[in-house]
Amino acid sequence: DAKTTQPNSMESNEEEPVHLPCNHSTISGTDYIHWYRQLPSQGPEYVIHGLTSNVNNRMASLAIAEDRKSSTLILHRATLRDAAVYYCVRTSGNTPLVFGKGTRLSVIA
Amino acid sequence: DAGVTQSPTHLIKTRGQQVTLRCSPKSGHDTVSWYQQALGQGPQFIFQYYEEEERQRGNFPDRFSGHQFPNYSSELNVNALLLGDSALYLCASSLEPGGNTGELFFGEGSRLTVL
Repeated sequence: DAKTTQPNSMESNEEEPVHLPCNHSTISGTDYIHWYRQLPSQGPEYVIHGLTSNVNNRMASLAIAEDRKSSTLILHRATLRDAAVYYCVRTSGNTPLVFGKGTRLSVIA
Repeated sequence: DAGVTQSPTHLIKTRGQQVTLRCSPKSGHDTVSWYQQALGQGPQFIFQYYEEEERQRGNFPDRFSGHQFPNYSSELNVNALLLGDSALYLCASSLEPGGNTGELFFGEGSRLTVL
């Protein structure tokens, strides 16, 4: 049970911002939200993670709702190389990451 | 700095056979996790090794077993292969067993086909 809900697929134009949503309505106070992405023929790659505050790194931004029941991964300018499956994963304590089916992002030139 | 390396990259086995997959973690990492990814699905957690012991296990039968060596490398063994074991097997390494703060570094996987 992935315990997160994501749309199956999304599409974006190149160089436009992309907002990938994730619902985690049963999240507990100590659960972190992680995002990974998987490019074709590769293993998953860490993108970003957070607990309560919004987070930024060189790859993306993570916006976490105030009630923490949802979050949004923001790619500021999508490129063709960002086409991948994006996984939103919640984890608590010492538990391993449990992946769902993720969102398949297509980027159109 | 070498990342996570897995071998072999591809292999074909027949039902009933046994297979061993190998993983070398990223330099400096001491924890190895194994995942199974069927086509079109997300990775499913098999088990995690830390300090040469299986620390956590997902919902996989005893046919799936593993080992971690003193140099932190790991093996995944699957006995009595079934057609449904055909999948991409991913190894991930981290600095700590916990999932909360540490990021996982994944290898490119071993593609197993069972005929």
